[in-house]
Amino acid sequence: NAGVTQTPKFQVLKTGQSMTLQCAQDMNHEYMSWYRQDPGMGLRLIHYSVGAGITDQGEVPNGYNVSRSTTEDFPLRLLSAAPSQTSVYFCASRSGAETQYFGPGTRLLVL
Amino acid sequence: LAKTTQPISMDSYEGQEVNITCSHNNIATNDYITWYQQFPSQGPRFIIQGYKTKVTNEVASLFIPADRKSSTLSLPRVSLSDTAVYYCLVGRMNRDDKIIFGKGTRLHILP
Repeated sequence: NAGVTQTPKFQVLKTGQSMTLQCAQDMNHEYMSWYRQDPGMGLRLIHYSVGAGITDQGEVPNGYNVSRSTTEDFPLRLLSAAPSQTSVYFCASRSGAETQYFGPGTRLLVL
Repeated sequence: LAKTTQPISMDSYEGQEVNITCSHNNIATNDYITWYQQFPSQGPRFIIQGYKTKVTNEVASLFIPADRKSSTLSLPRVSLSDTAVYYCLVGRMNRDDKIIFGKGTRLHILP
């Protein structure tokens, strides 16, 4: 199993550009989530999903969209990138009450 | 979700036992206590989970008093590689529960 994979590893955007961060898991987990982590800070939940077709907002959802068309994939879309969205983004998945497995992260720099 | 309070940072020396305490005064009856570890530039990874009394695995021990309003993560004989951020989470961990991370405790192990 590859676990949770994220692409790209690193991305530079200009203010106003849009992009999609990809996340995939091969563990057949129902629950997937996106977090952002700013330098020296803890993780903040952006959006999460409890299954295909079901998504909900986390702590800091503004400026981000998600969809969950399959169990495996949970892409995060930045609609119009802003410097405040410079961060490391982590995707995670779990099954039921099990612990979460995290991906390696995507480092995003918005200029 | 129960709010948790942990020290912001701790220093210790190699070979020592490190105890990190987490307060969770409003823990609910069905809540579990889970600890994650995060190394720099990596996503968090599960360390240990418990409901009451004591849980031990190959990495750490978790002590939970009878009132469950706090818990203590114990790392035996730490090494430099234990330098990381440690997060305490409290929640049911059910299928539909979003998982919120706090700021964590930044543990720095000195030689």
